[in-house]
Amino acid sequence: RKEVEQDPGPFNVPEGATVAFNCTYSNSASQSFFWYRQDCRKEPKLLMSVYSSGNEDGRFTAQLNRASQYISLLIRDSKLSDSATYLCVVEGTGRRALTFGSGTRLQVQP
Amino acid sequence: GAVVSQHPSRVICKSGTSVKIECRSLDFQATTMFWYRQFPKQSLMLMATSNEGSKATYEQGVEKDKFLINHASLTLSTLTVTSAHPEDSSFYICSASPAGGLVGGYTFGSGTRLTVV
Repeated sequence: RKEVEQDPGPFNVPEGATVAFNCTYSNSASQSFFWYRQDCRKEPKLLMSVYSSGNEDGRFTAQLNRASQYISLLIRDSKLSDSATYLCVVEGTGRRALTFGSGTRLQVQP
Repeated sequence: GAVVSQHPSRVICKSGTSVKIECRSLDFQATTMFWYRQFPKQSLMLMATSNEGSKATYEQGVEKDKFLINHASLTLSTLTVTSAHPEDSSFYICSASPAGGLVGGYTFGSGTRLTVV
């Protein structure tokens, strides 16, 4: 079983749609959780951290369910510029390296 | 915010040669930097953890004699791919965070796309 699992997609949605991505992680001792965005052939960039209480940043809402070891990202009112691969990322205990999911590709269409 | 500079961004080399990739933290000190590799359509995979002033820690399956890591200062880590072969062609990315951690994650270099011909 992969440490961090995501649906690879692609998710093809029209502009203005709401889309949700899910992610599960296997290590119950994981400490921190993030969503990163990666554009084609570029480095990943932090989109937002994920907290147990849930957090929102504009059109983006992230939630964490520690009991189910499940993380989600909701994007409302999708824009063309949201087209990218979204990476679910988990930071473990001890060393501070990150474990990446394989990413979910989003394509927003006009 | 924290900035990590990585060079070169792209390199093409002949099989059997060595390639050095630099990763610099520009406005903070990083006692630890991480080196990742990403093959097409795959996730980033941690190769090694670079520790300033000491030996790097390599992940299982990563050859330490092939991927030489030097972290001689608090702002610079280098990854040298020795005797490169076509199967080493990949996207190599470093990351770092300031001492004490960066709220919300880590900063990545812009990556190095290595093509071995």
